[in-house]
Amino acid sequence: QSALTQPASVSGSPGQSITISCTGTSSDVGAYDYVSWYQQHPGKAPKLMIYDVSNRPSGVSNRFSGSKSGNTASLTISGLQTEDEADYYCSSHATSGAAHVVFGEGTKLTVL
Amino acid sequence: QVQLQESGPGLVKPSETLSLTCTVSGGSISNSDYHWGWVRQPPGKGLEWIGTFYYSGTTYYNPSLRSRITMSVDTSKNQFSLQLSSVTAADTAVYYCVRDKRSSCESWGQGTLVTVSS
Repeated sequence: QSALTQPASVSGSPGQSITISCTGTSSDVGAYDYVSWYQQHPGKAPKLMIYDVSNRPSGVSNRFSGSKSGNTASLTISGLQTEDEADYYCSSHATSGAAHVVFGEGTKLTVL
Repeated sequence: QVQLQESGPGLVKPSETLSLTCTVSGGSISNSDYHWGWVRQPPGKGLEWIGTFYYSGTTYYNPSLRSRITMSVDTSKNQFSLQLSSVTAADTAVYYCVRDKRSSCESWGQGTLVTVSS
């Protein structure tokens, strides 16, 4: 079970938009619309930001959006705010090796 | 709103069994709309899925951990548990219990640090 591939870090200035990619395979991201994104601040538990590729849980800002094309999913954050600085992880339902869920490696977002 | 709380020893000796319990409040563990599982995060590293169980009895385990994992549920206490046997230092991590829907971890416990050391 290999982790989904994410860039180690991305950065942006307040007000700008950034996109984080999450690349998997035809056994996970490419096979199911069950991609999620999580935000994790230091010392805190992860928080679900996007589920089922592009849906936002209640209470999550509409500045966060998700999409998918082929084996790659993306998280876009528009109108960057300083509180968006955190680690972001993607995950996907998977069937490779009889796994069920696979996480991405994580991306550190720095708001300059 | 559902809340999850992990409990268990913070220190486990190498080769012994790690045992954690997750207590669920604000929702029934018997609700078939949801599944329940565990995720861990070694210090300074990323998230790793451990396993998920469905109330129907079906369980899914991380292939790399499958031979050492046991997950169980106690509906009378609204709790579920994780046992990881033959632990090593590589199992040192923050362990989170989660509520899962369609492979999305929608609710998380606060996490508990388990250190494997003699």
